[in-house]
Amino acid sequence: QVQLVESGGGLVKPGGSLRLSCAASGFTFSDHYMSWIRRAPGKGLEWVSYVSSSGYTIKYAKSVKGRFTISRDIAKSTLYLQMNSLRADDTAVYYCARGLERPTGWLDSWGQGTLVTVSS
Amino acid sequence: SYVLTQPPSVSVAPGKTASITCGGNNLGSKSVHWYQQRPGQAPLLVIYYDGDRPSGIPERFSGSNSGNTPTLTISRVEAGDEADYYCQVWDDSSDHPVFGEGTKLTVL
Repeated sequence: QVQLVESGGGLVKPGGSLRLSCAASGFTFSDHYMSWIRRAPGKGLEWVSYVSSSGYTIKYAKSVKGRFTISRDIAKSTLYLQMNSLRADDTAVYYCARGLERPTGWLDSWGQGTLVTVSS
Repeated sequence: SYVLTQPPSVSVAPGKTASITCGGNNLGSKSVHWYQQRPGQAPLLVIYYDGDRPSGIPERFSGSNSGNTPTLTISRVEAGDEADYYCQVWDDSSDHPVFGEGTKLTVL
């Protein structure tokens, strides 16, 4: 069955960096676009970034553009999120999620999430 | 960017029916999807394409998108349905998914 397992979260100071990973299994990783979504404390879900199945299309939310970089390793079936210049308002649980074959529609499988806390 | 509005909270007695709405510009022309997020758990897709259910989702969960007001309906509500529910669409103009503000369902 489809499984997504995030890792790499933790406590980091403002201005610091962190790299999140999402190990995928149970499906052909390169056949789907993959997204990162976060949920800050007391807030709702916020889409962060996605990479298309081809890898050619990458999008970022305005709130993270220029600071976060999404990437993937097809051979390892792993999705990454490099987060730089972290701010307090980046504190959230970060989820990776599987989309369809092309960027549209819904997200049908989600990982359990990894907590990122930005605090001095 | 595109904004989806939801009621912050809905309360319902066990065994009754809960309805959660989603508001946005010209929503009748979009496909709407719904997620359930129980406390401490990952979001779970419960409805896609306005009214389709993924395998494993009980028939008690249904969706509609008529009159420009998408609605998630949960029949015969159980204690285990207590969760946050989010609607989601794909915003063609910005080319990314957009989530609603979320609705906390409380089972009395």
